[in-house]
Amino acid sequence: AQSVTQLGSHVSVSEGALVLLRCNYSSSVPPYLFWYVQYPNQGLQLLLKYTTGATLVKGINGFEAEFKKSETSFHLTKPSAHMSDAAEYFCAVTVIQGAQKLVFGQGTRLTINP
Amino acid sequence: EAQVTQNPRYLITVTGKKLTVTCSQNMNHEYMSWYRQDPGLGLRQIYYSMNVEVTDKGDVPEGYKVSRKEKRNFPLILESPSPNQTSLYFCASRPSGQPWGEQYFGPGTRLTVT
Repeated sequence: AQSVTQLGSHVSVSEGALVLLRCNYSSSVPPYLFWYVQYPNQGLQLLLKYTTGATLVKGINGFEAEFKKSETSFHLTKPSAHMSDAAEYFCAVTVIQGAQKLVFGQGTRLTINP
Repeated sequence: EAQVTQNPRYLITVTGKKLTVTCSQNMNHEYMSWYRQDPGLGLRQIYYSMNVEVTDKGDVPEGYKVSRKEKRNFPLILESPSPNQTSLYFCASRPSGQPWGEQYFGPGTRLTVT
């Protein structure tokens, strides 16, 4: 079965600083990996995803993530944080076999300091 | 506009009083799913449906029922709610057979059971 671990339930950075949100996954078969963002009082919105091919994927709002199979990681980064990036971020994994369900990490709340 | 809608958005009820949370999508998606979101636990799948009349349990199905009589609708039923079902609930949908595809989430239903 798949699982996801997000390191750090809360991350705080200054406006303009690098954003790094960590995600490690466990899967016995090739995974599909996702980052979703949840703004206050809203549903989840897809930021980016890795399926196959290029391991560095770019998403919306300047975010990107790199799939590292050897490290079983899919960390999310943004070079320069903006106040509007304050939200909760979820890493998720699924596979093509079985029920194909999406398994989420615990979430990381990102705070941006002015 | 492609969307997933949920009703109600907020609900306060008492223990044991049956309730239904509706979910509807207008994207002709076969796959629909219900999640609950709790602090520190991320999103956990309650039930999912691969298509009309096909439903199955997720990770936390106890105390919940679902039905899928039409493609667009996937209601969540709590026949005898208890305080431990106080949570934020999300419905989601995607095309079936595409686990790598984006899941589209509704805006959420915040349920309080007293």
